[in-house]
Amino acid sequence: NAGVTQTPKFQVLKTGQSMTLQCAQDMNHEYMSWYRQDPGMGLRLIHYSVGAGITDQGEVPNGYNVSRSTTEDFPLRLLSAAPSQTSVYFCASVQRWNTGELFFGEGSRLTVL
Amino acid sequence: AQSVTQPDIHITVSEGASLELRCNYSYGATPYLFWYVQSPGQGLQLLLKYFSGDTLVQGIKGFEAEFKRSQSSFNLRKPSVHWSDAAEYFCAVGTTGTASKLTFGTGTRLQVTL
Repeated sequence: NAGVTQTPKFQVLKTGQSMTLQCAQDMNHEYMSWYRQDPGMGLRLIHYSVGAGITDQGEVPNGYNVSRSTTEDFPLRLLSAAPSQTSVYFCASVQRWNTGELFFGEGSRLTVL
Repeated sequence: AQSVTQPDIHITVSEGASLELRCNYSYGATPYLFWYVQSPGQGLQLLLKYFSGDTLVQGIKGFEAEFKRSQSSFNLRKPSVHWSDAAEYFCAVGTTGTASKLTFGTGTRLQVTL
């Protein structure tokens, strides 16, 4: 098992550009989520999904879009990048709600100029 | 809404010394509590979790944590720290049915001196 795979690991964008961060898991987990990590702020939830076709907003959803067409994939789209979106992004998955053990990808570092 | 406070941003301990990292949470009902560890350039890994039952929980790598409802705390402890424990530690709280929707603290960076 590869676990949770995120691509790309590093990306530099210009303000206004769009891009998609990819996330795939091969553990057949129902639940997936996206967090951003900023210095001194810990991890903040952007969007999450409790199953294919179901997504919902987290704490900081503005400027991001998600979809969950399959159990395996949960891409995060930046529609028009802003410098405030410079961050490290983590995708995570968990098998069932009552386990609580999130499996994290290695992160994607995004810089918006 | 739930929240987590980790009052210590940075802690330095000597190898072999004991460690306690503080975590306070705010939530109206019984929370689900977690400690995660992040090594540099890596994602987070679960150290231990508390759902119910025994308030002293054991985790991986020799860590333990104690849930104290009266103090709204879930402090992480280790009797003897190893240099490889240097990392950032995050406390998190979740609620029933929201395993993918944890609220994290701001983290405590642990430095270990030899």
